Amino acid sequence: EIVLTQSPATLSLSPGDRATLSCRATQSVTDHLAWYQQQPGQAPRLLIYDAFSRATGVPDRFSGSGSGADFTLTISRLEPEDFAVYYCQLYVTTHFDPSPMYTFGQGTKLEI
Amino acid sequence: QVTLRESGPPLVKPTQTLTLTCTFSGFSLNARTMRVAWFRQPPGKALEWLARIDWDDYKFYTASLQARLTISYDPSQNQVVLMMTNMDPVDTATYYCARTTTGFSFDHWGRGTLVTVSS
Repeated sequence: EIVLTQSPATLSLSPGDRATLSCRATQSVTDHLAWYQQQPGQAPRLLIYDAFSRATGVPDRFSGSGSGADFTLTISRLEPEDFAVYYCQLYVTTHFDPSPMYTFGQGTKLEI
Repeated sequence: QVTLRESGPPLVKPTQTLTLTCTFSGFSLNARTMRVAWFRQPPGKALEWLARIDWDDYKFYTASLQARLTISYDPSQNQVVLMMTNMDPVDTATYYCARTTTGFSFDHWGRGTLVTVSS
């Protein structure tokens, strides 16, 4: 079973700062890794898919990078509305079972 | 405009069966590559994938809950229904439905519905 570990659990920054969020898998994985933003009481919002592609309408201050087992979400200059919880999500299949599985990290809380 | 909306009972008793409905618009689940999935999120915890149904009626479930889950599609209502049997207090969570066209990530989500399991 592949586990995603996000770090740090909490990141305290100020508007205008640069944020770097990490998502590490327990083994090398495909590039079908996504990042979501979740505001309190709201549904997740897709930010990045396939490791580095921005979803429609996502500002270009959000960028994704990485491959293998290590992925990063970078927010270049934090805006007040960026303070939220961020999750990484991986699509997983195996040679033995082509059925899809989706696994999430435990989240990084980005706080002011 | 793509929208999804979850509905269901806010409170169920232990051992009961939960039935949740995802009503969507702006796309057809009959269209090739369309898929709708269910997730849940216990209070203060991470998201968990539960099930997915595809345009070709293929259905997939998370292994740990497969025996308790059934996903189905009603094209006349544009609804995807999730049933979960033998509910337990640990199943208390906000349940979300979401769409994917790639199968890899989810581009539109409903606002979620909170289900509490308690006697």
